[in-house]
Amino acid sequence: GQNIDQPTEMTATEGAIVQINCTYQTSGFNGLFWYQQHAGEAPTFLSYNVLDGLEEKGRFSSFLSRSKGYSYLLLKELQMKDSASYLCAVRQNTGGFKTIFGAGTRLFVKA
Amino acid sequence: KAGVTQTPRYLIKTRGQQVTLSCSPISGHRSVSWYQQTPGQGLQFLFEYFSETQRNKGNFPGRFSGRQFSNSRSEMNVSTLELGDSALYLCASSLPQGEETQYFGPGTRLLVL
Repeated sequence: GQNIDQPTEMTATEGAIVQINCTYQTSGFNGLFWYQQHAGEAPTFLSYNVLDGLEEKGRFSSFLSRSKGYSYLLLKELQMKDSASYLCAVRQNTGGFKTIFGAGTRLFVKA
Repeated sequence: KAGVTQTPRYLIKTRGQQVTLSCSPISGHRSVSWYQQTPGQGLQFLFEYFSETQRNKGNFPGRFSGRQFSNSRSEMNVSTLELGDSALYLCASSLPQGEETQYFGPGTRLLVL
């Protein structure tokens, strides 16, 4: 089967650093995505990892360990506008591509 | 370049009715995927189309169907609506190669009464 786990909610302070973890169990792993979704809006692409290691993109970084089925999204210098849901998604290739999403982590950034 | 567009944005239907939702992908994108998003279940994969063919399908009943046209625009249809079909329906398009990052439309919010 397939399973993606991430914390339901997290709270952090403006200016701080927060790490959102994601663990997955899936067959045909073909890459891991992180998306940001503000309330009432569509998800927007943040990052993509297919090889082990850290990908840095401005204030956001994403890490992947395929052997551990583990990823995290790191947000630095938190801003109030970072309050949103963060979705971890795994792409599978089992004869056809399919992207499976986790339930998302709601991040609250407080002043 | 224009983003993914979906119509209508909001829809109210009653149980037993059917509904058709439309999605126009980003120009040049040939793959279109549909998702259902509810507060309790998160984003659930419905199906994916490429070159007018359904390439992959999620675990939804046969009441949910879709199609893709030669210009890559896609429609999804839900027949015999149930209360539990109330959700945000999201369409995402991608290039069918390489990274295949999906870009989402604004969604259609469906309320079934």
